[in-house]
Amino acid sequence: EVQLVESGGDLVKPGGSLRLSCAASGFTFSNVWMTWVRQAPGKGLEWVGRIKREIDGGTIDYAAPVKGRFTISRDDSKNTLHLQMNSLKTEDTAVYYCTTGFQNGYSYWGQGTLVTVSS
Amino acid sequence: DIQMTQSPSSLSASVGDRVTITCGASQSVRSFLHWYQQKPGKAPKLLIYDAVTLESGVSSRFSGSGSGTDFTLTISGLQPDDFATYFCQQSYSTPLTFGGGTKVETK
Repeated sequence: EVQLVESGGDLVKPGGSLRLSCAASGFTFSNVWMTWVRQAPGKGLEWVGRIKREIDGGTIDYAAPVKGRFTISRDDSKNTLHLQMNSLKTEDTAVYYCTTGFQNGYSYWGQGTLVTVSS
Repeated sequence: DIQMTQSPSSLSASVGDRVTITCGASQSVRSFLHWYQQKPGKAPKLLIYDAVTLESGVSSRFSGSGSGTDFTLTISGLQPDDFATYFCQQSYSTPLTFGGGTKVETK
């Protein structure tokens, strides 16, 4: 069974940093592209960024609002995806999901982890 | 960036109704268009991928159509479990983008 479990969400002050993790199991982690999607309270879904698998060059793409502040990485030896978030802003407050799929579209999602940026 | 526009933003329907949600792209996304259902406090669930392909395990009352810039999600015979919010998403080019969502409420 495919499982994605996010962790690391917390309350942080503006300008602070936070690192989220996503532990994957039930599939060959190194074979898939992994993505972060977020959802602000009461709002829609926002694509944050994705990291390709190493065989595809490990390329990382980011959404404009987070580019230069957030860093996505993966540890294929530990089946874990990370999201390092720096210079956090109040507008980064959201539930952060990790997600993936074996064809187009995101078939598998974690339960989400809440990041609150507030003074 | 490709903008995704869904309509309506909300609708009221009854069990058994046929419901249609549309999604428009600001430029062609070919068939790289996917539909999700989300319930409060839960992660999204993939319903349709590549515009027309039903995800494994999803009820056949859900169907998708369209290509290029205009897409439709149809629910044939709305069931109580279908009251939720629906999002479209394009994966043709980065940044991948979602529509604003359509909330299906009970009439």
